[in-house]
Amino acid sequence: DGGITQSPKYLFRKEGQNVTLSCEQNLNHDAMYWYRQDPGQGLRLIYYSQIVNDFQKGDIAEGYSVSREKKESFPLTVTSAQKNPTAFYLCASTKTGVGETQYFGPGTRLLVL
Amino acid sequence: GDSVTQMEGPVTLSEEAFLTINCTYTATGYPSLFWYVQYPGEGLQLLLKATKADDKGSNKGFEATYRKETTSFHLEKGSVQVSDSAVYFCALSDTTSGTYKYIFGTGTRLKVLA
Repeated sequence: DGGITQSPKYLFRKEGQNVTLSCEQNLNHDAMYWYRQDPGQGLRLIYYSQIVNDFQKGDIAEGYSVSREKKESFPLTVTSAQKNPTAFYLCASTKTGVGETQYFGPGTRLLVL
Repeated sequence: GDSVTQMEGPVTLSEEAFLTINCTYTATGYPSLFWYVQYPGEGLQLLLKATKADDKGSNKGFEATYRKETTSFHLEKGSVQVSDSAVYFCALSDTTSGTYKYIFGTGTRLKVLA
């Protein structure tokens, strides 16, 4: 089955620690995205990538970093500079074209210990 | 910049009631419009979409029509079920500038009572 996988489902971070969230897609999509969702709120764009080895900052990139070394993979690192990382993180991907649907993974919930 | 505004929730309805969730947008180009649904603890799933003016998207009894004159894409369903309880997001994509970004509304929580 084609789709997007995110791991882990739950992640705990200690103070001062960097953690990495995994996102893999087998849909052969060029573009990939990371969003942050806080309780009762909409989606805020962290980073996006339209092609391998290139990525752009979204609206709330501070305290986060990404890489896009392979088409299928777009990991997100939450660094210690992100002071309020507790949230639900969603990865998405899409073909690049007019009217293309954005597909989402199941999400990772990050909690701070 | 581009934006999406949708009605505040929560919306609480009895089973078999008529549903409308309002969505309006602002865009500089010719956006495509989407409705997504999110169940608790899950990612978003596409519900329906429309890519040009006057197009109607439909799926699982839900409908929405792309109205360019009123810059709206309201979601409707004639008879809701308890299983429709979820959060609904209106979204647009505008690829005029060559970037493939999606703009989401803040979401509307729907609760359907038996």
